[in-house]
Amino acid sequence: VLTQSPGTLSLSPGDRATLSCRSSQSLSTNYLAWYQQRPGQAPTLVIFGAFSRAIGVPARFRGSGSGTNFTLTISRLEPEDFAVYYCLQYDPSPMYTFGQGTKLE
Amino acid sequence: QLLQSGGQVVTPGGSLTLSCEGSGSSFSQAWMSWVRQTPGKGLEWVGHIRPATNGGTTDYATPFRGRFSISRDDSKNTLYLQMESLRPEDTAVYFCTTEDNFWFDPWGQGTQVTVSS
Repeated sequence: VLTQSPGTLSLSPGDRATLSCRSSQSLSTNYLAWYQQRPGQAPTLVIFGAFSRAIGVPARFRGSGSGTNFTLTISRLEPEDFAVYYCLQYDPSPMYTFGQGTKLE
Repeated sequence: QLLQSGGQVVTPGGSLTLSCEGSGSSFSQAWMSWVRQTPGKGLEWVGHIRPATNGGTTDYATPFRGRFSISRDDSKNTLYLQMESLRPEDTAVYFCTTEDNFWFDPWGQGTQVTVSS
């Protein structure tokens, strides 16, 4: 189980955003990814392998963490960053599990 | 890029097949997944299919075993999701996506399936 917090984060452009994703079991950092989803669109990959930014993702996005606690930090929010963010874990059952999402508004 | 089609309104108990066409020569070598999204349960991984070089076999998340079936036609660069005995709770947006190691990228645009009488 992946638990994201907070459910909603209310901030302003220029603020720093810190999004949390907690797993019920310890994960390899290889198995944790973050997605951004804007209304009416498919999710897009932001962070893979817990730390690595996907192609085209600005440097203000940073992934961190290990074990059961992972964090997505957005250092200075831009208007286009306001969206819903999901974490994803891979568990070699094989199975993928998404967190329930954090809405950044 | 992945282009999806096939979503529609279906009556309970009905069946539906979704399609996902990939572009480029790499489709046949790709692990492909289906993910669905509902307001109540969020994003759920449905299952995946391996490329032929890995046996072309499938795995499904537990809730989708038995009623959902994933297949592919590499000659058409197309992935399929066949759904049987549909229930109102299967109402969702269904996405196809490429597995890249342990994450999904890219995604199709999504297609809406509504199960309603």
